[in-house]
Amino acid sequence: AQSVSQHNHHVILSEAASLELGCNYSYGGTVNLFWYVQYPGQHLQLLLKYFSGDPLVKGIKGFEAEFIKSKFSFNLRKPSVQWSDTAEYFCAVSNDYKLSFGAGTTVTVRA
Amino acid sequence: EPEVTQTPSHQVTQMGQEVILRCVPISNHLYFYWYRQILGQKVEFLVSFYNNEISEKSEIFDDQFSVERPDGSNFTLKIRSTKLEDSAMYFCASSRQGKGNIQYFGAGTRLSVL
Repeated sequence: AQSVSQHNHHVILSEAASLELGCNYSYGGTVNLFWYVQYPGQHLQLLLKYFSGDPLVKGIKGFEAEFIKSKFSFNLRKPSVQWSDTAEYFCAVSNDYKLSFGAGTTVTVRA
Repeated sequence: EPEVTQTPSHQVTQMGQEVILRCVPISNHLYFYWYRQILGQKVEFLVSFYNNEISEKSEIFDDQFSVERPDGSNFTLKIRSTKLEDSAMYFCASSRQGKGNIQYFGAGTRLSVL
């Protein structure tokens, strides 16, 4: 069975700081990888995805993620966060119909 | 931008009652999903649905649960006899294609079983 672990439960940082959220998964086959974001009171939105090709993927709002196959990792990064990046971030993995989610990381950006 | 819409946003019910959670997927999508998130826990897959059939379901999706696409636009999740432990946020999602495709989520229905 697939499992996804996110390293941080809650991250607090100041505006303009850099953000990196860790995600590791356990599955031996080919997987598709996703980062979703949930802003307060809103639905889950796709930030970025990796299916194949360049392991460094760029998403919306200045986010990027790097797939490192040997480490089973798909870490999310943003060089300089804004207050509006305050949200919950979910890593997810899929190799079939379902998405398997990590527990989520709450990111609080202080102005 | 097309959205998945869910109603109601909050449903309160008594233990043992039946509830129906409603979803309107994005109009040209063919695959539909339900997930749930118990407070403080991970988002968990319940079921996927395609061509009027369940294509995959989790262990959570037992005989108390059923899904239906009663018309060309709605996709419903029914819980026949609710238990306290069914209290959770239920998310509907849809995708244009199946395996590994991008899933678009609704805002969720918070179900509170008293």
